[in-house]
This record gives sequence, C-alpha cells and structure tokens, in this order.
Amino acid sequence: QQPVQSPQAVILREGEDAVINCSSSKALYSVHWYRQKHGEAPVFLMILLKGGEQKGHEKISASFNEKKQQSSLYLTASQLSYSGTYFCGTGGDFGNEKLTFGTGTRLTIIP
Amino acid sequence: SAVISQKPSRDICQRGTSLTIQCQVDSQVTMMFWYRQQPGQSLTLIATANQGSEATYESGFVIDKFPISRPNLTFSTLTVSNMSPEDSSIYLCSVPLGDFSYNEQFFGPGTRLTVL
Repeated sequence: QQPVQSPQAVILREGEDAVINCSSSKALYSVHWYRQKHGEAPVFLMILLKGGEQKGHEKISASFNEKKQQSSLYLTASQLSYSGTYFCGTGGDFGNEKLTFGTGTRLTIIP
Repeated sequence: SAVISQKPSRDICQRGTSLTIQCQVDSQVTMMFWYRQQPGQSLTLIATANQGSEATYESGFVIDKFPISRPNLTFSTLTVSNMSPEDSSIYLCSVPLGDFSYNEQFFGPGTRLTVL
C-alpha cells in the first residue's frame, strides 16, 4: 500500500515553516524523503532508520514515529529553492533497498 | 554520489511499437531500480534489476511488457513493448548507494515517453 502524504499541496511565503506528513499502513523500517522539481529527477534529502539513525540535509529535519508508522518532514525558514514536490519513500528492513513512494506533497514558496 | 545517464531523454512513439531505454551509471552497483512516473503522480516501482539474475517485477508489471537486461554492473535497459497511450510516462532508473544502512537512491534524469 502506498504511503499517504498530507497535505497534498501547500503554498507558503518565503521564511515560513512547513510540515509534511507521511503515514503508512505497514510497519516502517526506514523512511526516505526526496524532493522533485518540475521536469527533474527526485533528489535525496533525508533518511531515517528504525532505531533513530538519521542522515541528510543540514537545513531540513524529520521525525520518525515507529509506533504510529508515520514520519514528518520539517522545513524551517523556507527558501524559494524549496519549491517542488516532496515524496516520502518507505523501505524494508536492512538490506532491502526497495522503496514504496508516497502520494506526494506539492510545496510552492512565494516571495 | 553517482552520475546516472539515460537515453533517450524523450521520445514520441506510435502505438504498437517498442522502445528501449538505457541507463548508465558511472560506478559499479549491485542493484538498479526502474520506476514509472505518470504525469502529476508519484513514482511506481516496475522492477529491480540485479546483475547476473533475472529482474524481479512488482505486482502489475510483467516481463513480456517490460523486459529488462542487466549485462554488467554499470548498465541496464528497460524495454516498453507493444506500447499504448497508457504507457505515456516518465521512466526513471535509480541506484542505491552506500552501505545497507544508508541506502539513499540516486535517480537518472528520466525518459519522457509519449505514445500516440
């Protein structure tokens, strides 16, 4: 089952904060976050692993609630360059790199 | 990181024909993934391609429609066979890098396919 993201779309002014949520119906071992700009390939932002490990972007943070099978991506003091569609990808256990991507959240930052 | 190229970048094809998409990586990788992204939609995994073994297809995708080759650790092809307008999509390959705990994926630029 595809993870569900919320909101589907959001428009913010530069400098405002955003939270994007990803909810899965299956147990999560890892959650990945990617950003895709129009006409481009998705770009890796962050990965969160069961047990608390994180790796990713300096100015972007995320949380991973294993019990609730949810993850949230936090974009603070958003910049124009943050515009794009954000996808979470839920992964299997260690060694299983196959990802199931979420429904996506379109973020538009305006001056 | 990895540098991934895909050919062609875009194509317009006639119904009933086939198109082979190439994916080239600048380093050796064990695993490659092929995704389809329909306009305005998320990414859907088509198959996993490991060198030296047959590709593993996801539910809803079959080898006869999407044959995959993986002749070495830096290259793979995906063929979209007997195309119909419903196959119009962006097709992307990706590779996971790093050890198994930090398996971020790097994506190729994609192949935009339009079927008339």
